[in-house]
Amino acid sequence: AQSVTQLDSQVPVFEEAPVELRCNYSSSVSVYLFWYVQYPNQGLQLLLKYLSGSTLVKGINGFEAEFNKSQTSFHLRKPSVHISDTAEYFCAVWVTGGTSYGKLTFGQGTILTVHP
Amino acid sequence: GAGVSQSPSNKVTEKGKDVELRCDPISGHTALYWYRQSLGQGLEFLIYFQGNSAPDKSGLPSDRFSAERTGGSVSTLTIQRTQQEDSAVYLCASSLYVDQPQHFGDGTRLSIL
Repeated sequence: AQSVTQLDSQVPVFEEAPVELRCNYSSSVSVYLFWYVQYPNQGLQLLLKYLSGSTLVKGINGFEAEFNKSQTSFHLRKPSVHISDTAEYFCAVWVTGGTSYGKLTFGQGTILTVHP
Repeated sequence: GAGVSQSPSNKVTEKGKDVELRCDPISGHTALYWYRQSLGQGLEFLIYFQGNSAPDKSGLPSDRFSAERTGGSVSTLTIQRTQQEDSAVYLCASSLYVDQPQHFGDGTRLSIL
């Protein structure tokens, strides 16, 4: 079975500072990787995805993430955050085969709070 | 274009009652998914449909939970004899095909009194 670990439950940061939200996964089969963002009382919005190809993927709102297969990580980064980035962020994996095919497995989420 | 639509947005009901939650996926999306988000359990997969069939029902927490999808479009998630532990946000997602990124609705917040 696959699993996702988000290493920080909460990350406080000041506006215009850089941020990194960490995600590690485990899986016995190859995976696709995703980051979603959830604003209060809303559903999940796709930030970015890694399916194949270049390990550095760019998403919306200036976010990017790097897939590191050897470290089984997919950390999310932004060089300069804004107040509007305050939200909860979820890392998720989708396995490409096996009994878990079809479902996303999510980490526990990281609450990013940007202070002025 | 229109996104995934879920109704109702909020539902409050008494313990023991049955509830139906509805999901209208993005037009043309063949795959549809249900997840549950609760404070103690995070985001959990419940079930997914490819067309009208549900290859994987393994995430349904008990036999009180069922889901169907008709016409390859709208889906309903039914919870019978609701319990307080069923209180959660139920999220629906859809994707063009199973191996494509999933797009989520805003969820139904279910509260069991």
